[in-house]
Amino acid sequence: QLQLQESGPGLVKPSETLSLTCTVSGGSISSTSYYWGWLRQPPGKGLEWIGSIYYSAHTSYNPSLKGRVTISLDMSKNHFSLILTSVTAADTAVYYCARLLRTGVGTTTPPDYWGQGTLVTVSS
Amino acid sequence: QSVLTQPPSASGTPGQRVTISCSGSSSNIGSNSVIWYQQLPGTAPKVLIYSNNQRPSGVPDRFSGSKSGTSASLAISGLQSEDEADYYCAAWDDSLSGYVVFGGGTKLTVL
Repeated sequence: QLQLQESGPGLVKPSETLSLTCTVSGGSISSTSYYWGWLRQPPGKGLEWIGSIYYSAHTSYNPSLKGRVTISLDMSKNHFSLILTSVTAADTAVYYCARLLRTGVGTTTPPDYWGQGTLVTVSS
Repeated sequence: QSVLTQPPSASGTPGQRVTISCSGSSSNIGSNSVIWYQQLPGTAPKVLIYSNNQRPSGVPDRFSGSKSGTSASLAISGLQSEDEADYYCAAWDDSLSGYVVFGGGTKLTVL
């Protein structure tokens, strides 16, 4: 059974860098069938896709966050990571890691498996 | 402002049939498949419908999905109290360099 688990600090100061890791068990991030991604949900609001990465290290990012986001993977540890720079209070959210089915070059379906999510608060 | 448009709320009484709509455009719903999620408070979204109208194993057949042109719908028949949740539609969008887009979510209340 595939499981994804987010980990990282729950509190980040404004203007600093948010860093999260997603550890995958029951499946391999080197699979050619899937992308691995990050999404977030501000308190009381809807879902937002942040970006995704393929085993080849090909990435796709939400245009609204491009420039602040980097997603990377470590196949030796079967995990992938999110870095979001210059955070503000607007980046306070539950952050989810997820699996997305690859449908073509650089294209996916929305997520089919999600981690449980981790709340990250941006505050001084 | 979400790329896909859903009504913010819906309601029904136990046993009723409720439909939630999701409107998009030719670059998302019009050319890619739709997923519907159910999100209970404090939990991660759960896939209810994938590929427009397919149910994962374990999802009751009370839930059904359809798609026509640039719109999709989720129908819930035989409404039950445990169906009270937030529902989201999502799809891949081919515009710009491509990305996943969501509806703003519909809060379903079982009266």
